[in-house]
Amino acid sequence: EVQLLESGGGLVQPGGSLRLSCAASGFTFSSCGMSWVRQAPGEGLEWVSSISGSDGSTYADSVKGRFTISRDNSKNTMFLQMSSLRAEDTAIYYCVKEDCKSKLTTFDYWGHGTLVTVSS
Amino acid sequence: DIQMTQSPSSLSASVGDRVTITCRASQSINSFLNWYQQKPGKAPNLLIYAASSMQSGVPSRFSGRGSGTDFTLTINSLQPEDFATYFCQQSYSAPPTFGQGTKLEMK
Repeated sequence: EVQLLESGGGLVQPGGSLRLSCAASGFTFSSCGMSWVRQAPGEGLEWVSSISGSDGSTYADSVKGRFTISRDNSKNTMFLQMSSLRAEDTAIYYCVKEDCKSKLTTFDYWGHGTLVTVSS
Repeated sequence: DIQMTQSPSSLSASVGDRVTITCRASQSINSFLNWYQQKPGKAPNLLIYAASSMQSGVPSRFSGRGSGTDFTLTINSLQPEDFATYFCQQSYSAPPTFGQGTKLEMK
């Protein structure tokens, strides 16, 4: 059974930093692309960043230069280092597994999410 | 970026009804279109991928069709557990983009 467990969310002041983690199990982690998708309160879904099994990464323009995605395949864990946080980064951040076979950004499993609140 | 537009934004229906939600892409995305269901307080759940392929475990009352720029999600014989918000998402080109969502409410 695929499981994705996020941690690291919380309240942070504008300009601050936070590191999210996602512990994965139930599949061959190193073979699959992984992503972060966020959802502001009462809003829709916004893709944030993706990382391939071989560490290639992409970012939404809204977070480029401020967020860094990484993964540790030996620990089946993905990370999102967030810095220079803004109020508009306030959202639930979901750890998402991409479809391993197609290599497309089809998000077939989602974690429960971790809430990041940026406020003074 | 490819813009995804869903209609309607909200929809009222009754148990047993047949409903259809539409998703339109700002350019052709072939069949690289996915549908997700999200219930309040929960993470989204993949229902349909590649426009018409059903994810494992999804009830057969859900179906998707379309290609190019126009897509539909149809739910036959609505069940109480189907009242939720539905999102489309294109996986044709980076960045992946979502529709704004369609909230399906009980009449």
